[in-house]
Amino acid sequence: DAGVTQSPTHLIKTRGQQVTLRCSPKSGHDTVSWYQQALGQGPQFIFQYYEEEERQRGNFPDRFSGHQFPNYSSELNVNALLLGDSALYLCASSLWLGGPPSITGELFFGEGSRLTVL
Amino acid sequence: KQEVTQIPAALSVPEGENLVLNCSFTDSAIYNLQWFRQDPGKGLTSLLLIQSSQREQTSGRLNASLDKSSGRSTLYIAASQPGDSATYLCAVGGTASKLTFGTGTRLQVTL
Repeated sequence: DAGVTQSPTHLIKTRGQQVTLRCSPKSGHDTVSWYQQALGQGPQFIFQYYEEEERQRGNFPDRFSGHQFPNYSSELNVNALLLGDSALYLCASSLWLGGPPSITGELFFGEGSRLTVL
Repeated sequence: KQEVTQIPAALSVPEGENLVLNCSFTDSAIYNLQWFRQDPGKGLTSLLLIQSSQREQTSGRLNASLDKSSGRSTLYIAASQPGDSATYLCAVGGTASKLTFGTGTRLQVTL
């Protein structure tokens, strides 16, 4: 049973560029959430996708956008990269249990994508 | 706005000791609380999930308790081992299944 998989594991970009990160949820899960973890900090919630729609969003600018596909996999896109976007980006999957407000089961995280912006 | 605090920020103990990690949160209106383990540069591994209606959960040498009214949770690790060395993160689940994390406790278990 494959867990949450993310790609790429590491990438380096320069300021102003755009990046796309990908996530495949754990088998049987239908909800994907994205988190940003700066060095030495706890993860911060970016947004959550269910049924191919953004359901909730954290305090992140519109430069951060996402998508969920019919097979439940998801992408995180960041435009106009800033130095401060350097972080570990974590994808979490869960099973939607109801809502609104959305209630899901236990969250399972992937290994993350380490983004460095130069 | 939910805020989560973890104390201590770092902890070093000799192998075999029992230890307690603390987590406090400001808003008691939570759905659940999860404890995670994170090894350096890696993702998060879920250790225990406590629903808001529960008082504690146990898994092997780990026991987590939850006191919603006081906004506190503790993670108890029995008979610590060097392989337990990692950062332990507490996360509170609010509406929309959004987790709010603390900054973690970095644990080192020495031989």
